[in-house]
Amino acid sequence: GENVEQHPSTLSVQEGDSAVIKCTYSDSASNYFPWYKQELGKGPQLIIDIRSNVGEKKDQRIAVTLNKTAKHFSLHITETQPEDSAVYFCAASDRGSTLGRLYFGRGTQLTVWP
Amino acid sequence: EAGVAQSPRYKIIEKRQSVAFWCNPISGHATLYWYQQILGQGPKLLIQFQNNGVVDDSQLPKDRFSAERLKGVDSTLKIQPAKLEDSAVYLCASSWGVVGETQYFGPGTRLLVL
Repeated sequence: GENVEQHPSTLSVQEGDSAVIKCTYSDSASNYFPWYKQELGKGPQLIIDIRSNVGEKKDQRIAVTLNKTAKHFSLHITETQPEDSAVYFCAASDRGSTLGRLYFGRGTQLTVWP
Repeated sequence: EAGVAQSPRYKIIEKRQSVAFWCNPISGHATLYWYQQILGQGPKLLIQFQNNGVVDDSQLPKDRFSAERLKGVDSTLKIQPAKLEDSAVYLCASSWGVVGETQYFGPGTRLLVL
């Protein structure tokens, strides 16, 4: 099955700085890569996703890049704010298969200091 | 639109006892997922339903875990008997389509087995 590695496990930044979280995947058939934000005591919430036919996608302060050759994808958060503090998970899936199961990384605890 | 509902939010039991979790997905969502999230890890899929049929239960410990989705709407996940290593957050998610669609998560049920 798919194996998703995520780094770093913890990340602390000053408010206004940028934060970058990186993930690698093992299955070349994976073609859908969502990112989820999980706040304390809540379920994960989708913040952005990218498909394999796109190299980069942006939504306001959040962007995701995908390098299919190297099998890695990254989340970029610019102008960080304290409310961005949470655990972020990357995931990978083969949406074309009959199952389309999501495989999650272990998560990155992001702390934004005011 | 109402999100995915789960109950109870918290449960403490002793090992060898049984426990059940309930999930009500977003209205109209055909696919329902149960995930187990152990502290410090990403969610791991336990079982996936398409309407009221099981699509994927390859990761479900069937000797102690069972799940059903009657009438293709609500679902229950049961553990009997519970073990210490079952302590985790149990997340329910739902999506529109058959497979590979965006998954929306509920708040989860935190289970502590003593």
